[in-house]
Amino acid sequence: KNQVEQSPQSLIILEGKNCTLQCNYTVSPFSNLRWYKQDTGRGPVSLTIMTFSENTKSNGRYTATLDADTKQSSLHITASQLSDSASYICVVSADSGAGSYQLTFGKGTKLSVIP
Amino acid sequence: GAVVSQHPSRVICKSGTSVKIECRSLDFQATTMFWYRQFPKQSLMLMATSNEGSKATYEQGVEKDKFLINHASLTLSTLTVTSAHPEDSSFYICSARVRGTGLFGSNQPQHFGDGTRLSIL
Repeated sequence: KNQVEQSPQSLIILEGKNCTLQCNYTVSPFSNLRWYKQDTGRGPVSLTIMTFSENTKSNGRYTATLDADTKQSSLHITASQLSDSASYICVVSADSGAGSYQLTFGKGTKLSVIP
Repeated sequence: GAVVSQHPSRVICKSGTSVKIECRSLDFQATTMFWYRQFPKQSLMLMATSNEGSKATYEQGVEKDKFLINHASLTLSTLTVTSAHPEDSSFYICSARVRGTGLFGSNQPQHFGDGTRLSIL
């Protein structure tokens, strides 16, 4: 069964500090891994996408890493801002063949950035 | 960028009422749209895949007669929760994938709407 586990479940940090969110997955056959940011009461917005051959990808203050061997990914946020407060969801895509694929969602990490 | 509009954003109604939620892709065509349900502190759960011009594909455990899906055009899919009950209260989110993504379709993101908060009294 495909699964995506995220940790921690929730995190509180001071504004300006860095933090790292973790994602472990057991999804096969792996196609890609995407991190989404979901503000309260809003739909998820894609931050980064990682394919099998990529180890690191940055999007502004967000840096995602992928270790396909250990099936782990992380999302590092530098110099956090109050607007970073949101849930961060790890989503792994499995190739179902014939041009279709299945997404498995993690439960998310709820990040709270406080002044 | 690709925008998905979902309407209404919030619905409060009495038990037994049927509620229709619309999902529109504003600046792109979406052959396939997806409907999710999200309970508090839980991950998004795929309910069904909506295919333009054909019947929706429902996930196991989702009642197709209760959650009616219509995908009449390349830019609009609707989800109707029929005879809603308090246990149907949840956050419903739709998403759409850009049409014609070919072999690299899995690398194209799903663009999500902002969700509909459904509360059944």
